[in-house]
Amino acid sequence: KQEVTQIPAALSVPEGENLVLNCSFTDSAIYNLQWFRQDPGKGLTSLLLIQSSQREQTSGRLNASLDKSSGRSTLYIAASQPGDSATYLCALGSGNTGKLIFGQGTTLQVKP
Amino acid sequence: GAVVSQHPSWVICKSGTSVKIECRSLDFQATTMFWYRQFPKQSLMLMATSNEGSKATYEQGVEKDKFLINHASLTLSTLTVTSAHPEDSSFYICSASPSGSGFGTDTQYFGPGTRLTVL
Repeated sequence: KQEVTQIPAALSVPEGENLVLNCSFTDSAIYNLQWFRQDPGKGLTSLLLIQSSQREQTSGRLNASLDKSSGRSTLYIAASQPGDSATYLCALGSGNTGKLIFGQGTTLQVKP
Repeated sequence: GAVVSQHPSWVICKSGTSVKIECRSLDFQATTMFWYRQFPKQSLMLMATSNEGSKATYEQGVEKDKFLINHASLTLSTLTVTSAHPEDSSFYICSASPSGSGFGTDTQYFGPGTRLTVL
C-alpha cells in the first residue's frame, strides 16, 4: 500500500528565504506526482504536475523534482513571500484512474 | 479557467438527519468526479470515484449506504450523508476531471470544500 509522508509538518521562515519541502513515498511505481496548495478552509490549487517519466517541473519561483528510485520529491520555493503562506500537499497518482494519494501536508508560514 | 463549485460551503445539522452536498463543474463537462474528506490537520482521503451515468466506486472502508453519491449529469455530482452523526463532521472536497480529448485523468479541478458539522 502506497504511503506518502511530508516533512516537516510545519515550517516558519522569514520573507525572502529559499526553502525546500519534502515528500517521500514507499512505492516507486507511480503514475505521476502533484504538488498542491491549500489555503485555510479552502480547496486545492494545483501547482506542479510531474509525470512518472519526468525529473522536474518549474513554474515561476517553484521547482519540483522527482526521484522515483529513492521515493522522494521536493518542492523548492525561491525568494519566499508572505503570500506563499499556506499548506502544501503532495499527491501521488497511482494509475490512469485519476485517484490521488495525499501526504499530510506541510504548513508554511512566511513572516514579513 | 476551469471552476468547480460546491454547495453549501458549510452546514450544521442535527444528529440523525441527512445532508446533501453538491459539486458542480461550471464551465466544463466532467465524466469523472472524486469525493474526499479531510479531518482537521489531516490530509485528504479519497472516499469514492463518481462516474456520470453509473454507480460510484467506493474506497475500502467507506460505507456506500451512508455516503450516497449520484452523478446524474456531466456537470453535477451529489454526496448525501445519510443519518449523520458527530463523527461524520469533516471537510468534504470534490474534484472534477474534464471530459474530452486533450485531458488526461491527470487534470483535476478541486472545489472549495464543504464544512459539515453534526451536532
